[in-house]
Amino acid sequence: GQNIDQPTEMTATEGAIVQINCTYQTSGFNGLFWYQQHAGEAPTFLSYNVLDGLEEKGRFSSFLSRSKGYSYLLLKELQMKDSASYLCAVVDSNYQLIWGAGTKLIIKP
Amino acid sequence: SAVISQKPSRDICQRGTSLTIQCQVDSQVTMMFWYRQQPGQSLTLIATANQGSEATYESGFVIDKFPISRPNLTFSTLTVSNMSPEDSSIYLCSVEVGGDVHEQYFGPGTRLTVT
Repeated sequence: GQNIDQPTEMTATEGAIVQINCTYQTSGFNGLFWYQQHAGEAPTFLSYNVLDGLEEKGRFSSFLSRSKGYSYLLLKELQMKDSASYLCAVVDSNYQLIWGAGTKLIIKP
Repeated sequence: SAVISQKPSRDICQRGTSLTIQCQVDSQVTMMFWYRQQPGQSLTLIATANQGSEATYESGFVIDKFPISRPNLTFSTLTVSNMSPEDSSIYLCSVEVGGDVHEQYFGPGTRLTVT
């Protein structure tokens, strides 16, 4: 079967750094997405990785290791508005998106 | 990118009735998707709706319960039929914009409560 694992919930402090991990086991791999979803809103695209390594975009970075079936999303200089759920999704061999359950990130002052 | 609107944004319906949700995109797209999201849960794909062909349903979802129309490249509807309280959820449509990345853009969702 296909499986994506993320922590259910994480807590971090404003101004700090947090790393959200995602491990996956899927039938094939054609890329990995990170989406942000604020409560009551639709998911919005954060990042895409298809090759190994780190992709940096402002305060957010995403890392991929295909051999380990592993990715992480790194958020720096945390702000209160970063409180949201972060969804990891993998594109499988049929180009279907397989979604993780999401990680709820709580930012405390 | 794509801008997506959904109607209605929310509704409260009685069990046994049906509700049709509309999804409108500001550009022509081939692939549209319908998801369900239970409170606090991640996304569950209901079906893929490509213009000019029958919708493809995921395991656990059937056409009689969730009929989908896709009359053109900018519009789709999802009907939730013979509703029960278990159908209370957020229903989201999304589109895949062409290219190699297969990124999906989401509509704002329809919050459905069945009493």
